[in-house]
Amino acid sequence: GEDVEQSLFLSVREGDSSVINCTYTDSSSTYLYWYKQEPGAGLQLLTYIFSNMDMKQDQRLTVLLNKKDKHLSLRIADTQTGDSAIYFCAETLNTGFQKLVFGTGTRLLVSP
Amino acid sequence: ETGVTQTPRHLVMGMTNKKSLKCEQHLGHNAMYWYKQSAKKPLELMFVYSLEERVENNSVPSRFSPECPNSSHLFLHLHTLQPEDSALYLCASSQVRGPSTDTQYFGPGTRLTVL
Repeated sequence: GEDVEQSLFLSVREGDSSVINCTYTDSSSTYLYWYKQEPGAGLQLLTYIFSNMDMKQDQRLTVLLNKKDKHLSLRIADTQTGDSAIYFCAETLNTGFQKLVFGTGTRLLVSP
Repeated sequence: ETGVTQTPRHLVMGMTNKKSLKCEQHLGHNAMYWYKQSAKKPLELMFVYSLEERVENNSVPSRFSPECPNSSHLFLHLHTLQPEDSALYLCASSQVRGPSTDTQYFGPGTRLTVL
C-alpha cells in the first residue's frame, strides 16, 4: 500500500524541542519531504532528505532517516509559538514524474 | 511566497453553478498538479500535467475538468458539484528532469464551499 503514517497531534511548551515522527512504505522512495501548513494557507516546503542520507540539519530543523525501519523524523529545536501548524511528511513514488504520497499530518501546538 | 499563485482564494458555489479555479506558476516549471485537501483525510492527488500533457488522473469524477493551456497556467473547471466536494484545492508545480523530478512547490489554495 501507499500509506504514510503520522501521529495526529503533538503539544509542547515554547523553548522545548519537538519531534514529529513518520513511517512510510516505499523503500524505493528517492526523496522524503517535510511540509508545513499554517491555518488557511497552502503547504510550505520545510526540508527534504535524499534516501542515501541518514541525517540532514538545517538551522533549527534536523531530519533523521532510518531506511531499515522506514522511519522519518523531524526535530525542531527551541520550538516557538510561530511553529504551531500542521506538519506533513511525504514520500515519492518513482512513476516517471514526481508523485508524492502524504501522511495525514501532525498538528503541532506550541504553548507559551 | 512560493511562486505559485491561486485564484480565487475563497469560493462559494451552488450545486448547479459552473466555476473555474486558476493556478499560475512563476518558477519556470514544466509540471503542474491539482490536489484536494479534505478534513481528516490525506492530500489526494487529482491531476498531473507534465509538459502540458495530462499524465495522471486519479479516478476523479467528471464534474472536475482540468485544463493546462501552457506550462505556466492550470485551471480546474467545476460544474454540478456536490457538498462533499467542499475542500481546499491546492495547486503545485515542479520541474521534470528526465526520470526524476524536483521538489513540488504549492500555492496557497482555494477554499471551496459547495452549498
